[in-house]
Amino acid sequence: DGGITQSPKYLFRKEGQNVTLSCEQNLNHDAMYWYRQDPGQGLRLIYYSQIVNDFQKGDIAEGYSVSREKKESFPLTVTSAQKNPTAFYLCATSSWAVHSYNEQFFGPGTRLTVL
Amino acid sequence: RKEVEQDPGPFNVPEGATVAFNCTYSNSASQSFFWYRQDCRKEPKLLMSVYSSGNEDGRFTAQLNRASQYISLLIRDSKLSDSATYLCVATGTASKLTFGTGTRLQVTL
Repeated sequence: DGGITQSPKYLFRKEGQNVTLSCEQNLNHDAMYWYRQDPGQGLRLIYYSQIVNDFQKGDIAEGYSVSREKKESFPLTVTSAQKNPTAFYLCATSSWAVHSYNEQFFGPGTRLTVL
Repeated sequence: RKEVEQDPGPFNVPEGATVAFNCTYSNSASQSFFWYRQDCRKEPKLLMSVYSSGNEDGRFTAQLNRASQYISLLIRDSKLSDSATYLCVATGTASKLTFGTGTRLQVTL
């Protein structure tokens, strides 16, 4: 069954802890993205990766880190340096082609709450 | 000025009505445009891409006006199941997409 999976669905973190959110895809898409969504706000880009072993900062990368060791996987770590991490985190993928902008498809998301 | 601006609504319409949303974008270099639908506490799902010539998919019609830098979404014969938030999206720099904050639609009996 093709698609994008994110785990866990809900995550609770104590202040000062690092947590890692998983994103896996079997769509064979080249590009992967991480967004956060806060109530009443649009999606904001955290990090993105167009190819394995390469990634770029988005608009709000501070306090986050990523890796892209495999095409299928793009985990996001929320570090203790992120001051307001409570949000809905969405992973997306697209079939990236040079000089084209393709639709992005989203996973079901992870809701992170800091206690 | 926001890169992509939408009226947040809510738009409250009766079943069977026609409703239209507009969205403006500030980056004249944007190449691609999309409408996504997002249900409460769910992920956004692609509704349709917006082509220069406009496109239609059943009850949904999307139009692009490059001169005025806006895109629109028209929903005909609204159904209760159309109730959701509709996100307008434009391409920005590099491979990034810029999302509007969404327009909420509530279809009522």
